[in-house]
Amino acid sequence: AQKITQTQPGMFVQEKEAVTLDCTYDTSDQSYGLFWYKQPSSGEMIFLIYQGSYDEQNATEGRYSLNFQKARKSANLVISASQLGDSAMYFCAMREGGAFGGEKLIFGQGTELSVKP
Amino acid sequence: GAVVSQHPSRVICKSGTSVKIECRSLDFQATTMFWYRQFPKQSLMLMATSNEGSKATYEQGVEKDKFLINHASLTLSTLTVTSAHPEDSSFYICSARDGSAASYNEQFFGPGTRLTVL
Repeated sequence: AQKITQTQPGMFVQEKEAVTLDCTYDTSDQSYGLFWYKQPSSGEMIFLIYQGSYDEQNATEGRYSLNFQKARKSANLVISASQLGDSAMYFCAMREGGAFGGEKLIFGQGTELSVKP
Repeated sequence: GAVVSQHPSRVICKSGTSVKIECRSLDFQATTMFWYRQFPKQSLMLMATSNEGSKATYEQGVEKDKFLINHASLTLSTLTVTSAHPEDSSFYICSARDGSAASYNEQFFGPGTRLTVL
């Protein structure tokens, strides 16, 4: 069964507008972590934001915020004021287990975001 | 932040040859390293987890004899694709976990290696 699901293969957004990238997950663990990564065409994986399962506040990092709805098992990424440089693949990932366990990451299928000028 | 390097960044080889890819943690000791494979426009698929000084743990469906992983030191893990074939052409990415960091963001990714087998 798919543990991380990103239902939007591709998204378009106008420059300077906000965009939401969807991510749902499935786990029976009480303790887990959710990550978002950006992968530009160069291939490098750039860490954007993290949300722990016990965090009560939604995570924010600059223009990135994570809309964490635990009961619905969703962890959507919101990018505000889109820039042309935001055009890339975006991956949602989950790490099951404790915060310091170092367990493997499970990635979603990815969403290709294109920002239009 | 912590830096992970991969070498080479690109490699082209003939079918039947073996290719070695290195993953190094430059400013921290990596107790655990992970190897991923990514096909164009697809997700990262974990191939194996490599722990320093012990045998790698392979994911289901990954051939151990074809993808040899060695994690001989706390800063270096290598992936060797043996008897490579065109279907092994892919983007290979490693990540490393900083064993000393009490941080949620304990995995740091390398820039990837693009393998093309002719």
